[in-house]
Amino acid sequence: QSVLTQPPSVSAAPGQGVTISCSGGGSNIGNNYMSWYQQLPGTAPKLLIYDNDKRPSGIPDRFSASKSGTSATLGITGLQTGDEADYYCGTWDSTLSVFMFGGGTKLTVL
Amino acid sequence: EVQLVESGGGLVQPGGSLRLSCAVSGFTFSSSWMYWVRQVPGKGLVWVSRISSDGSVTNYADSVKGRFTISRDNARSTLYLQMDSLRSDDTALYYCARDWTGGAADYWGQGTLVTVSS
Repeated sequence: QSVLTQPPSVSAAPGQGVTISCSGGGSNIGNNYMSWYQQLPGTAPKLLIYDNDKRPSGIPDRFSASKSGTSATLGITGLQTGDEADYYCGTWDSTLSVFMFGGGTKLTVL
Repeated sequence: EVQLVESGGGLVQPGGSLRLSCAVSGFTFSSSWMYWVRQVPGKGLVWVSRISSDGSVTNYADSVKGRFTISRDNARSTLYLQMDSLRSDDTALYYCARDWTGGAADYWGQGTLVTVSS
């Protein structure tokens, strides 16, 4: 069971939008930068968001993120079937001196 | 082109040892902190370890502390994970990744599979 809590699954129709939440505590989300990852089936994870809300080069602006207190949210707009993947949040925990991932959320584009 | 290529995985008996390697090219390895992350097929990502750019700072997940050792050879642009006293629950795909900014892992390898079984 992960310290960072994500919903196991979310779904939405093509063209719609979806949000994925990530809940933690003061020593992790509350005090450190968040990152978000997309893992397509059979592939390595890919960085979508770093430093809470920044997108690496090449990541479309359909992907966005925010952080407030001890929670963070990933938003995806204009859903495409190619967005079907597992999504993970991640952050450092200052007290434990470990990096931690959320349990992952499976996105289904119906 | 950035490449991270893991190797060294395989089948090992419980209590055995393996050393994983991650050969890096395309970015300045000697300036980069690095991670190992593992994933049981069909399950979530689990952070394993981190090492500073010069190797002087290391961190480990509690589940591997005392059994795994992360190290690096900057002259060879290679990251290592020495895994001792392996258990069945260490069975996973092991990825190396670069710790970029704010802890985010921006470059990932394709993983090497470790299976611990008798």
